[in-house]
Amino acid sequence: KQEVTQIPAALSVPEGENLVLNCSFTDSAIYNLQWFRQDPGKGLTSLLLIQSSQREQTSGRLNASLDKSSGRSTLYIAASQPGDSATYLCAVRHGSGAGSYQLTFGKGTKLSVIP
Amino acid sequence: DGGITQSPKYLFRKEGQNVTLSCEQNLNHDAMYWYRQDPGQGLRLIYYSQIVNDFQKGDIAEGYSVSREKKESFPLTVTSAQKNPTAFYLCASRTGGSEAFFGQGTRLTVV
Repeated sequence: KQEVTQIPAALSVPEGENLVLNCSFTDSAIYNLQWFRQDPGKGLTSLLLIQSSQREQTSGRLNASLDKSSGRSTLYIAASQPGDSATYLCAVRHGSGAGSYQLTFGKGTKLSVIP
Repeated sequence: DGGITQSPKYLFRKEGQNVTLSCEQNLNHDAMYWYRQDPGQGLRLIYYSQIVNDFQKGDIAEGYSVSREKKESFPLTVTSAQKNPTAFYLCASRTGGSEAFFGQGTRLTVV
C-alpha cells in the first residue's frame, strides 16, 4: 500500500529565506504527484502537478521536483513571505490498477514565515 | 467562475441523526471524491466516483453513503452508523489531466 511521508511536520523560517519541503513515497509506480496548500479551516488549493514523466514544474516562486526512482519530491519556495504561511500537502496518484483513481496524501508540513 | 461548492460550511449533528453534505461542481469533471480530514491523520478517502451512477468505497466508507445521479453533484450522507463523525469533510473533482481541485470543506460536529 502506498505511503506518503512529509518531513518536517512543521517549519518556521524568517521572511525572505529560501526553503525546501520534502515528500517521499514508498511505491514508485505513480501516475503523478500534486502539491497543495491549505490555510486554516479552508480547502486545498492546487499549487503544482508533476506527471510521472516530468522532472520538475515551476510556478512563480515555487518549484517542485520529482525523482520517481527514489520516491521523492521537493517543493522549493524562493524568497518566502508571511503570506506563504500555511500547511503544504503532497499527494500521489497511483499508477495503475484498481487504485489508479485515488490520491494518497501525506500529513503535511506546517510552514510559518516570520516577518 | 468554475469551481467546487460545498455546503453547508458548518453542520451540527445530533446523536442518531443522518446528515447530508452537498458537493456541486461546474468544471465538467467526471471524477469526484470525498475525503475526511482529522488533526494529525491527514486526508482519508471515503468514497469516489468516476462516472455518473457509479461509485466506489475508499478506505473509510463504513457509516457513509453517496449517490451520483448527476455529473455535477456528489452528495455525502453521514449516517447514524458512523460513530465518530466529527471531522472536516472535503470534496474534490479531477480533470482528465489528473489535476485535482477541492472545495472549501464542511466542518461537521456532533452535539
